[in-house]
Amino acid sequence: NAGVTQTPKFRVLKTGQSMTLLCAQDMNHEYMYWYRQDPGMGLRLIHYSVGEGTTAKGEVPDGYNVSRLKKQNFLLGLESAAPSQTSVYFCASRQTQTYQPQHFGDGTRLSIL
Amino acid sequence: EDQVTQSPEALRLQEGESSSLNCSYTVSGLRGLFWYRQDPGKGPEFLFTLYSAGEEKEKERLKATLTKKESFLHITAPKPEDSATYLCAVRVTGNQFYFGTGTSLTVIP
Repeated sequence: NAGVTQTPKFRVLKTGQSMTLLCAQDMNHEYMYWYRQDPGMGLRLIHYSVGEGTTAKGEVPDGYNVSRLKKQNFLLGLESAAPSQTSVYFCASRQTQTYQPQHFGDGTRLSIL
Repeated sequence: EDQVTQSPEALRLQEGESSSLNCSYTVSGLRGLFWYRQDPGKGPEFLFTLYSAGEEKEKERLKATLTKKESFLHITAPKPEDSATYLCAVRVTGNQFYFGTGTSLTVIP
């Protein structure tokens, strides 16, 4: 059982380049989330989805777009990367019941030069 | 404003030296408090969910407790393999979770 898988694990971009981060879960979870983790800042929510075809903004959505075309996949896009987007990105998923926890992938380490 | 604060930021313990980590929160409409463990280079790994004040959960050397304003993660007789960063998160009304910045625990043999 793979759980939550993130692709790629590492990436280096130049300022202005674009890329897409992929998150795949095999637990049939309805809810999926994208976070960024920066030193001293904790995990901050970028965007989330409560089901296939739906997305919503989190705490720090600027500069990012997301899509949830299939229930098992949640994509995070950077249209024009900026050095401030250098971070570790985590995807999580969870069941719909109120007290269910999030299950996380192992992250994508992204550097913007 | 919903807020989660963890203390201390870092903690060094001798093997076998018990201690507690704190997670205080100021939120409205709490829908669960969650503890996670995060190892370097890995994603957070779920440990406990606490639902209401007075509740306690245990797993091996870890015990989590919850009051109306804070949660404690008690570590009894820790071992070096307990070294990690421990995160707490709260879920409020809606689908968002708010995370603390974590406590980095080092257990020295």
